[in-house]
Amino acid sequence: DAGVIQSPRHEVTEMGQEVTLRCKPISGHNSLFWYRQTMMRGLELLIYFNNNVPIDDSGMPEDRFSAKMPNASFSTLKIQPSEPRDSAVYFCASSPDRGRATQPQHFGDGTRLSIL
Amino acid sequence: DAKTTQPPSMDCAEGRAANLPCNHSTISGNEYVYWYRQIHSQGPQYIIHGLKNNETNEMASLIITEDRKSSTLILPHATLRDTAVYYCIVRAQGGSEKLVFGKGTKLTVNP
Repeated sequence: DAGVIQSPRHEVTEMGQEVTLRCKPISGHNSLFWYRQTMMRGLELLIYFNNNVPIDDSGMPEDRFSAKMPNASFSTLKIQPSEPRDSAVYFCASSPDRGRATQPQHFGDGTRLSIL
Repeated sequence: DAKTTQPPSMDCAEGRAANLPCNHSTISGNEYVYWYRQIHSQGPQYIIHGLKNNETNEMASLIITEDRKSSTLILPHATLRDTAVYYCIVRAQGGSEKLVFGKGTKLTVNP
């Protein structure tokens, strides 16, 4: 079991640029979550999907953020345009729970994003 | 807002049991207690969860008081690799409510 795989592990870019974070959940898991972690705000749920459908995106900070899950094995979180305050560690997690459960069980190692 | 209260930090000697407390006095009847931990520079890791009965798995034991207003996570033989921030979270299983991570307890296991 390869676990949840996130890429890139680190991203440094200038403000205004588009940033795309990628996640491959554990095979067979049908719930996927995107979290953001900062020192000030801790771990925040941004959005979660169940069976590739977004269930709750109320944590997405603003329209600059968007997330997609085109199939069961891949999801992206995009920020366009990026701003320095978006700097954080972004985690993807997946869960084998059925239905609309929202408990993340396995987290990836995160993408450390720095916007200059 | 997190519905739990945890001490900000604790220390434990290597090889001894680590007992991490959590208060959740407003817990509802259908809410479970979840524990996660986060080792430095890694993603959070699910540990265990329970409703009212004590639970045990290969990582830890969860003891929930009879009135369910508090619980204790027990690491029976702490190792240096158990140094992490431990999060106690209450939530209804299967519901749409978000899993809210509070500030947790920073456990330091000392040699």
